[in-house]
Amino acid sequence: AQTVTQSQPEMSVQEAETVTLSCTYDTSESNYYLFWYKQPPSRQMILVIRQEAYKQQNATENRFSVNFQKAAKSFSLKISDSQLGDTAMYFCAPRGPGNQFYFGTGTSLTVIP
Amino acid sequence: NAGVTQTPKFRVLKTGQSMTLLCAQDMNHEYMYWYRQDPGMGLRLIHYSVGEGTTAKGEVPDGYNVSRLKKQNFLLGLESAAPSQTSVYFCASSDFRTTRNYNEQFFGPGTRLTVL
Repeated sequence: AQTVTQSQPEMSVQEAETVTLSCTYDTSESNYYLFWYKQPPSRQMILVIRQEAYKQQNATENRFSVNFQKAAKSFSLKISDSQLGDTAMYFCAPRGPGNQFYFGTGTSLTVIP
Repeated sequence: NAGVTQTPKFRVLKTGQSMTLLCAQDMNHEYMYWYRQDPGMGLRLIHYSVGEGTTAKGEVPDGYNVSRLKKQNFLLGLESAAPSQTSVYFCASSDFRTTRNYNEQFFGPGTRLTVL
């Protein structure tokens, strides 16, 4: 099984500021996908952004972007112009063989007004 | 298009009771999954299915059984519930064939189960 490490259990950021959530993983695959999911207090899991490992260009989705370092097996999420609605639990999830996802333990992000 | 639905949303059981959680998806996805989420543990895979009539064990399968008799449904059963099975259970589905959505997983809203 793949291991996924999110070393920041809790983080906070001022509204409109930028925050980066870290994620490292271990895999023996050469081609794979990585995902960040958001879980707000409603408990619903929502896809934030995804990255194909064979693409060198970092993915971006509006205020969300990733810093993907394949050799270092690092996949961090940057949230720009933080909004109150960004308050949630964030999970890093590489996808492995058999289309299985491996979730980290999550980072709880609080956006402070 | 309802996506992934789960029934029930909440349930309280006594130790030793049995129950079945139902997951349904209307996206014609091949893959379906059951996870449990506990505080500080992230999501852990219980069982999954790669197609109708097939199931496989995930990371934490003990105490659970599953069935995939129809492509759109994935059932999770607890034969004799234990307090350690108190958790939030999530069902998810994904399509392995299309590259349009990178085979992301689509999640249901979760079921909060308490075993007393």
